[in-house]
Amino acid sequence: SAVISQKPSRDICQRGTSLTIQCQVDSQVTMMFWYRQQPGQSLTLIATANQGSEATYESGFVIDKFPISRPNLTFSTLTVSNMSPEDSSIYLCSVEGGGTSGDYEQYFGPGTRLTVT
Amino acid sequence: AQSVAQPEDQVNVAEGNPLTVKCTYSVSGNPYLFWYVQYPNRGLQFLLKYITGDNLVKGSYGFEAEFNKSQTSFHLKKPSALVSDSALYFCAVRDIGSARQLTFGSGTQLTVLP
Repeated sequence: SAVISQKPSRDICQRGTSLTIQCQVDSQVTMMFWYRQQPGQSLTLIATANQGSEATYESGFVIDKFPISRPNLTFSTLTVSNMSPEDSSIYLCSVEGGGTSGDYEQYFGPGTRLTVT
Repeated sequence: AQSVAQPEDQVNVAEGNPLTVKCTYSVSGNPYLFWYVQYPNRGLQFLLKYITGDNLVKGSYGFEAEFNKSQTSFHLKKPSALVSDSALYFCAVRDIGSARQLTFGSGTQLTVLP
């Protein structure tokens, strides 16, 4: 299974500012996913990031608010722009497992806990 | 569109008793089904999956799940619960014919009482 790290693990930010979250994977993967999870609640997919192409955003999420970079097959960033308290959440990145045939599960990073004041 | 329902927000069970966490799904084609567990202040950990084959799948930490196509269910089970099993459990589905996005259920908080 892939090992995923995220930076920062947590942050407290002021409204109106932006935060960039980094996601690093220990193996090359085609697709990376960014999710948002409010504490104790379910996960909502923000976008899917392929290397070398624009990210695909889910309904309710836009590139101006959540720009994503995917410069290579092991790294991605998600920026939360012009933050408001409603953006307070846990942000997780994930990858589909291993790349070998049959590894359909996704593996998740430890998450970034963001609080906007 | 694909969807997942976890009808119970909270499940309490005594240590040593069997546990069941329920999940039903809806997809247009054949499903890939998954269970994840989340401990406090931790990321999601993969428990088990159903892709094809035997309807009963076994996973980590003694958990198993039964795929029932006619009832569109994928309930998580364990014969004997441990206090350390207390956590938030998520069921997820992916339609074989769709892109690779997972759709997650709302989660079930499992509490195992000593």
